[in-house]
Amino acid sequence: DAGVIQSPRHEVTEMGQEVTLRCKPISGHDYLFWYRQTMMRGLELLIYFNNNVPIDDSGMPEDRFSAKMPNASFSTLKIQPSEPRDSAVYFCASSPNRGRNEQFFGPGTRLTVL
Amino acid sequence: AQSVSQHNHHVILSEAASLELGCNYSYGGTVNLFWYVQYPGQHLQLLLKYFSGDPLVKGIKGFEAEFIKSKFSFNLRKPSVQWSDTAEYFCAVRLSSSNTGKLIFGQGTTLQVKP
Repeated sequence: DAGVIQSPRHEVTEMGQEVTLRCKPISGHDYLFWYRQTMMRGLELLIYFNNNVPIDDSGMPEDRFSAKMPNASFSTLKIQPSEPRDSAVYFCASSPNRGRNEQFFGPGTRLTVL
Repeated sequence: AQSVSQHNHHVILSEAASLELGCNYSYGGTVNLFWYVQYPGQHLQLLLKYFSGDPLVKGIKGFEAEFIKSKFSFNLRKPSVQWSDTAEYFCAVRLSSSNTGKLIFGQGTTLQVKP
């Protein structure tokens, strides 16, 4: 398996633009998580899905952020409009539904908002 | 609310020194425990995990961790660090009763090993 796949790996955009981050979880994994990592706040859980359904979005910072999971193999995290304080590394992780479940992390998307 | 606390924010060691990174959690029920490592510029990778059984868990690259239930702790250890161990280390807890797969992460500890 290729592991969790994220795209793009790097994104540089200007303030006010829409940003879409993409994630493909490991096949067969029922949980998908979106995290944000910054120097100031460390690793923050933004939202997670179970079987494509959002379970907990309490970590989403504000309405500018939205996430979808239209099917088991794809999820997006969208920021509209983006702001410089959104600059961070965004990680996607997935885990299986049963058993002794660790989370498997993707390589991350480094977002820079100018 | 449940939380995970990593006491050491930044640790600097010389090669061959012994390492111990602290991790405490606040939850009275059954937990699953994890240590993840993030090498510079890379994503988080699992070092080791504890679910049940022997409280001393051995992971990859010579790391081990001991679960002490009475202390709500899961400290990470390595007898002799190498320069390549320079990374950020995260402790994480999953509540066994929650059945959500959600992990609660600590703030992370940055380890710098001097050659």
